[in-house]
Amino acid sequence: GENVEQHPSTLSVQEGDSAVIKCTYSDSASNYFPWYKQELGKGPQLIIDIRSNVGEKKDQRIAVTLNKTAKHFSLHITETQPEDSAVYFCAARINYQLIWGAGTKLIIKP
Amino acid sequence: EAGVAQSPRYKIIEKRQSVAFWCNPISGHATLYWYQQILGQGPKLLIQFQNNGVVDDSQLPKDRFSAERLKGVDSTLKIQPAKLEDSAVYLCASSRAQGAIDGYTFGSGTRLTVV
Repeated sequence: GENVEQHPSTLSVQEGDSAVIKCTYSDSASNYFPWYKQELGKGPQLIIDIRSNVGEKKDQRIAVTLNKTAKHFSLHITETQPEDSAVYFCAARINYQLIWGAGTKLIIKP
Repeated sequence: EAGVAQSPRYKIIEKRQSVAFWCNPISGHATLYWYQQILGQGPKLLIQFQNNGVVDDSQLPKDRFSAERLKGVDSTLKIQPAKLEDSAVYLCASSRAQGAIDGYTFGSGTRLTVV
């Protein structure tokens, strides 16, 4: 079945720097790739997503890139701010189901 | 639009007791999901409903867990009897339809502690 690997498990960056989180998936039939942000005590919140017919999508400081040939997609956060500190999850959709990565804890150092 | 509502927010029970969680999805969302999230891990799908029918319950421990969505709107998830390893956050999510390629909206979850 589909498997999603996410790296790194923890990422610490200086405030103002960029952060990149990478995910790989195994099933080439996956057609939708959302990214969720989960703050302490809250449910995951969808922050950006990309469909398989698009290579890149941006929303202000957040961008996602998709490489279908290599079967990997990445989340890019520029000009990081303290409020970006959270756990980030990637996921891949196959057959109406979301397969989740294990999560990345992003720490923004002041 | 109003978000996904869940209650209670927290619950502490002793092992072998029973517990129930409630979820009200976003109005008009046909698909409803229950996830279990153990501390430090990603969400694990327990059951998926399309309207009031079960689409996938392959990872639901059916000897102790049950869920229903009788009128195709709100849903309840029950655990009976609870075990220590059931301690987790139980998240409810909804989406427009099973076939829609869009994201899920999650509730804030119910944190269950089994002692």
